[in-house]
Amino acid sequence: DAGVIQSPRHEVTEMGQEVTLRCKPISGHDYLFWYRQTMMRGLELLIYFNNNVPIDDSGMPEDRFSAKMPNASFSTLKIQPSEPRDSAVYFCASSRAGGEQFFGPGTRLTVL
Amino acid sequence: KQEVTQIPAALSVPEGENLVLNCSFTDSAIYNLQWFRQDPGKGLTSLLLIQSSQREQTSGRLNASLDKSSGRSTLYIAASQPGDSATYLCAVRGDGGSQGNLIFGKGTKLSVKP
Repeated sequence: DAGVIQSPRHEVTEMGQEVTLRCKPISGHDYLFWYRQTMMRGLELLIYFNNNVPIDDSGMPEDRFSAKMPNASFSTLKIQPSEPRDSAVYFCASSRAGGEQFFGPGTRLTVL
Repeated sequence: KQEVTQIPAALSVPEGENLVLNCSFTDSAIYNLQWFRQDPGKGLTSLLLIQSSQREQTSGRLNASLDKSSGRSTLYIAASQPGDSATYLCAVRGDGGSQGNLIFGKGTKLSVKP
């Protein structure tokens, strides 16, 4: 298994631009999680899905953030418009019910 | 609200030493606890998962223990090697059954000197 796949690995954009991060979970995992990691706040959960349905989006910081999971093998996290304070590493993770969470390599986002 | 604390924030030891990393959590109603390793610029690698009904889990030179009632977990690393240098994070999943997100500590940055 290739593990959790994320793209792009690095993204540099200018303030106000739309950013789309992509994730492919491990096949057979029915939970998908989006996290953000910064030096100041550590790892924070943004949103998670179960069977493609968003369950808890209380960690999404603002309406500028949105996430979708159109099918079991693909999810996106979109930021529109982006701001410099959104600069962070964004991780996607997946798991079976109650099992270990497996993380992708992350997307390092820099908003200038 | 669950809070996870890891002490110390950083630790430096000579190669070959046995060491213990600490993790504490404020709400004992957890479903499981997971230890991760993160190398600089990389994602998280799962090391051990302990279910709330378990007391410990072992994998190679790693042993993780869980004392749910006192809100503590430890990660024991035997015979440390320079390759063990990384940041170690613990995370707890709330007692919402199989659902519920992981709450992470800030991590302990371990440096093993040759």
